[in-house]
Amino acid sequence: DAKTTQPPSMDCAEGRAANLPCNHSTISGNEYVYWYRQIHSQGPQYIIHGLKNNETNEMASLIITEDRKSSTLILPHATLRDTAVYYCIVRPRSGTASKLTFGTGTRLQVTL
Amino acid sequence: NAGVTQTPKFQVLKTGQSMTLQCAQDMNHEYMSWYRQDPGMGLRLIHYSVGAGITDQGEVPNGYNVSRSTTEDFPLRLLSAAPSQTSVYFCASSYSVRGDSTDTQYFGPGTRLTVL
Repeated sequence: DAKTTQPPSMDCAEGRAANLPCNHSTISGNEYVYWYRQIHSQGPQYIIHGLKNNETNEMASLIITEDRKSSTLILPHATLRDTAVYYCIVRPRSGTASKLTFGTGTRLQVTL
Repeated sequence: NAGVTQTPKFQVLKTGQSMTLQCAQDMNHEYMSWYRQDPGMGLRLIHYSVGAGITDQGEVPNGYNVSRSTTEDFPLRLLSAAPSQTSVYFCASSYSVRGDSTDTQYFGPGTRLTVL
């Protein structure tokens, strides 16, 4: 599976957009980009995933560059409840079991 | 649905003791897995199962056993606990083992284990 690189920490003011970058320069054509988050002491929570098109759901938007070497998770109006560690994960589309390889993620701190 | 449930929430063991961490899901998911998370680190895969009667090793399987006799349950057994196994353990499940685009994993609340 492709390796991902994320900044270790970021701050964001409440109500502002939080933009979390992820570099996955060795991603291959059959690999998806997944984002999960882990709020303190809880199990990870799925946020969004995409292959090459931008995606949006009720939680966030995912912007993937045209060359697919990087992506950005956008929380449009961050709240204090969005304070968490955010994991960017790349995994194959099919043919393997559903293993997720977690790195150390980005710790997002949302402040008043 | 209760989702993924784990018991116990907290456990303290002495070195050499054995115990079983329980994990159950009521979503009829094929795939189940166990992860451990050490302080300040990401999750590491211990064992996983793609269906009843089928298990396989993950990244850090040593010192742990699993079995999958039913679709719903996937217990993790520590054979002889060691202080290095002090960690938070998460169980996860997902519908598809094919890794297709609908395959999102659901995690339990975790079991916090301390081995003295």
